Amino acid sequence: DIQMTQSPSSLSASVGDRVTITCRASQSISSYLNWYQQKPGKAPKLLIYAASSLQSGVPSRFSGSGSGTDFTLTISSLQPEDFATYYCQQSYGASWTFGQGTKVEIK
Amino acid sequence: EVQLVESGGGLVQPGGSLRLSCAASGFIFSSYWMSWVRQAPGKGLEWVANIKQDGSEKYFVDSVKGRFTISRDNAKNSLFLQMNSLRAEDTAVYYCVRELRQHLVLEYWGQGTLVTVSS
Repeated sequence: DIQMTQSPSSLSASVGDRVTITCRASQSISSYLNWYQQKPGKAPKLLIYAASSLQSGVPSRFSGSGSGTDFTLTISSLQPEDFATYYCQQSYGASWTFGQGTKVEIK
Repeated sequence: EVQLVESGGGLVQPGGSLRLSCAASGFIFSSYWMSWVRQAPGKGLEWVANIKQDGSEKYFVDSVKGRFTISRDNAKNSLFLQMNSLRAEDTAVYYCVRELRQHLVLEYWGQGTLVTVSS
């Protein structure tokens, strides 16, 4: 199975900060990489698909980049509603896997 | 509006069985691949299984192969997960998810149903 490793596992940031989360795959996954946001007690929400495509309705402060094994999710200016846990997920091959998550907390 | 409503969760003893259901509405159910994803309490997400529109292809995570089966009833807009030989480590919230197969992504999520495996 393809292993996905996110870093950091958690971070503290202030409103207005630029935040970057990285995700590394154990083998090349081309651009089959998606990002989700999850708030406590809620279902995950799709943010970015195919590494860099913004899901409809998602604010443009969210962006994704990368291909092969290394990917990043960037929040250009953190807003109060962005404090949540973020997961990357690969969809290369038949068995899909998630990263362990990155919790973004208020500084 | 896309709606996915899971049901069937509850408390079950180790070794027992449970069948989860997902009622879909607001879209043409028979046109979409569907997935189950789970989340153990306080833990991350784990994709469990998915099924093609006509049920002809099914895939599972290794940890549930031979114990779980996935099925669908397109006439009733419903997705199912039959879980047998349940273990404590199967305890989780189980989400029903609509895929966007064009981009191999988990697009719409239900609110989940909790399965607790304990004696």
